[in-house]
Amino acid sequence: KAGVTQTPRYLIKTRGQQVTLSCSPISGHRSVSWYQQTPGQGLQFLFEYFSETQRNKGNFPGRFSGRQFSNSRSEMNVSTLELGDSALYLCASSPAGVNEQFFGPGTRLTVL
Amino acid sequence: EDQVTQSPEALRLQEGESSSLNCSYTVSGLRGLFWYRQDPGKGPEFLFTLYSAGEEKEKERLKATLTKKESFLHITAPKPEDSATYLCAVRPREDYGQNFVFGPGTRLSVLP
Repeated sequence: KAGVTQTPRYLIKTRGQQVTLSCSPISGHRSVSWYQQTPGQGLQFLFEYFSETQRNKGNFPGRFSGRQFSNSRSEMNVSTLELGDSALYLCASSPAGVNEQFFGPGTRLTVL
Repeated sequence: EDQVTQSPEALRLQEGESSSLNCSYTVSGLRGLFWYRQDPGKGPEFLFTLYSAGEEKEKERLKATLTKKESFLHITAPKPEDSATYLCAVRPREDYGQNFVFGPGTRLSVLP
């Protein structure tokens, strides 16, 4: 069974630009969560989508947004990039009614 | 506020030298406590879920235990390939806009 896939794996952007990251969950998983991981803050929850609806949201500014499609694939968008947005962005999926989350390899975003 | 702390921050062991990692948590009702392993540049890999005090789970050289305030990850006779960052996370019973709350992790190095 294929795992969670994320594209692209690496991105370099400049301040003020916007970026879109993509996540394909494990087949059959309907919940997709996004996390930001930095050396200083660790893993921080961004948002969770279930059946195309945002179910939970973390404490991040409105520049961070996401969506989920009918096939459960999800995208995350960050507008007006700041230097502090440099991080590893992780996507995790889980089946309905199950607590465990399974993570993808992440997208490493560098903002210059 | 839901919080997870982990100790020690870093741990160096000789191959075969058993030890334990600690995860202390404060949460408004616990839906589950999770252990993950993360290798550099990769996404976290799921290890265990624990739901109630007294519960134990084992996998190869790893054993996770849970009390009402903390969890331990015991590593018996570790090998160099056990070197990684071990993350603990909790899922609050009432999400309040958060999904998983992660601890900062313990960096484990096992020397041959």
